[in-house]
Amino acid sequence: DIQMTQSPPTLSASVGDRVTITCRASQSITFYLAWYQQRPGKAPKLLIQKGSILESGVPSRFSGSGFGTEFTLTISSLQPDDFATYYCQHYYDYPYTFGQGTKLEIK
Amino acid sequence: QVQLVESGGGVDQPGGSLRLSCVGSGFTFSNFAMHWVRQAPGKGLEWMAAISFDGVTKKYAISVRGRFTVSRDNSRNTVYLQMNSLRIEDTAVYFCARDGGRGSGWPIDYWGQGSLVSVSS
Repeated sequence: DIQMTQSPPTLSASVGDRVTITCRASQSITFYLAWYQQRPGKAPKLLIQKGSILESGVPSRFSGSGFGTEFTLTISSLQPDDFATYYCQHYYDYPYTFGQGTKLEIK
Repeated sequence: QVQLVESGGGVDQPGGSLRLSCVGSGFTFSNFAMHWVRQAPGKGLEWMAAISFDGVTKKYAISVRGRFTVSRDNSRNTVYLQMNSLRIEDTAVYFCARDGGRGSGWPIDYWGQGSLVSVSS
């Protein structure tokens, strides 16, 4: 099975900051990588697919990059709504696996 | 708009069984693969199972293989998760989720609100 390692587990930042979350796959997943945002008590929301394609309606301050085994999610200027937990997930083959999550907290 | 509504969660004892259901609406259900993903209290997301658009291909996480069975009834726009031999560590919110395509190579794009399963003696 492909393992996904996400870092950091927790990130403290302020409104307006630029932040980056990293996701590493244990083997190449080419571009089959999605990023999700989850707020407490809510279902996850798809932000980015294929490593860098922004879903419709997702603000342009979110961006994704990477290919193979290394991927990043960047939020260019944090807004109050962005404080949540973020997960990466590969969908290269089954079983699909998630990273452990990154909780983005207000500093 | 796409909606997924789970039902069937509840409390059961170790060794017991529960069946979750998920009804999809706002899209052509029979054109999309479906997934189940769970989240234990205070923990991260764990992918559990997937079923292809036609119900022919089923995939499972190793943690539930042989105990959980995914199925679907396209005439009822419903996907099911039959959970047998429940363990305490199966306690979680179970999300039904839609695949972006028919079987593989697409991300999960829509999620239900989740159904809580609690396994306790």
